[in-house]
Amino acid sequence: GAGVSQSPSNKVTEKGKDVELRCDPISGHTALYWYRQSLGQGLEFLIYFQGNSAPDKSGLPSDRFSAERTGGSVSTLTIQRTQQEDSAVYLCASSLIGDNEQFFGPGTRLTVL
Amino acid sequence: GENVEQHPSTLSVQEGDSAVIKCTYSDSASNYFPWYKQELGKRPQLIIDIRSNVGEKKDQRIAVTLNKTAKHFSLHITETQPEDSAVYFCAAGGAGSYQLTFGKGTKLSVIP
Repeated sequence: GAGVSQSPSNKVTEKGKDVELRCDPISGHTALYWYRQSLGQGLEFLIYFQGNSAPDKSGLPSDRFSAERTGGSVSTLTIQRTQQEDSAVYLCASSLIGDNEQFFGPGTRLTVL
Repeated sequence: GENVEQHPSTLSVQEGDSAVIKCTYSDSASNYFPWYKQELGKRPQLIIDIRSNVGEKKDQRIAVTLNKTAKHFSLHITETQPEDSAVYFCAAGGAGSYQLTFGKGTKLSVIP
């Protein structure tokens, strides 16, 4: 079946612009996660959605970052007033309720000039 | 919250040798420990996982061991092959939620 998909695969933007990154989880997966992976670094947790519960936003690095999940499926990560340090690969993952295993999307490579 | 330390950050082995990557975690309530492999430019993919009710799990050339008392777990790859070259991430989770805390990764290079 279809895996987790993300769009765009690459995004180049100018400092100060807003960007939106999209994640389509595996159908039926109620949990959705966003991570940031800077060059040569590990996976930094950003935000976690589980069903209709309030999201866990504890990993968002600043108030310029926000995320939504509409209808319990697609999620959008928005970065406002982008900075050069926001340049990274943004990975989305999803999992079934009651299951720890996370399935990752291919990521969006964001470059802020 | 959970803190996961992973060592070494880089590892080079000759083809056919074994590779071992070690992780420690801080939250004694964690009960799920997966390992992900990320090839260059690709997404992380689960290769093996272990839950706290077992001490060892093996799948062909890869195995994971868990020491809950010491709060550490390790990935063992035997008879390494060039296609094993990748970045490997350990993670810990399951302490009351489905979130995972990842280590910083180990870049494994298998030299033919």
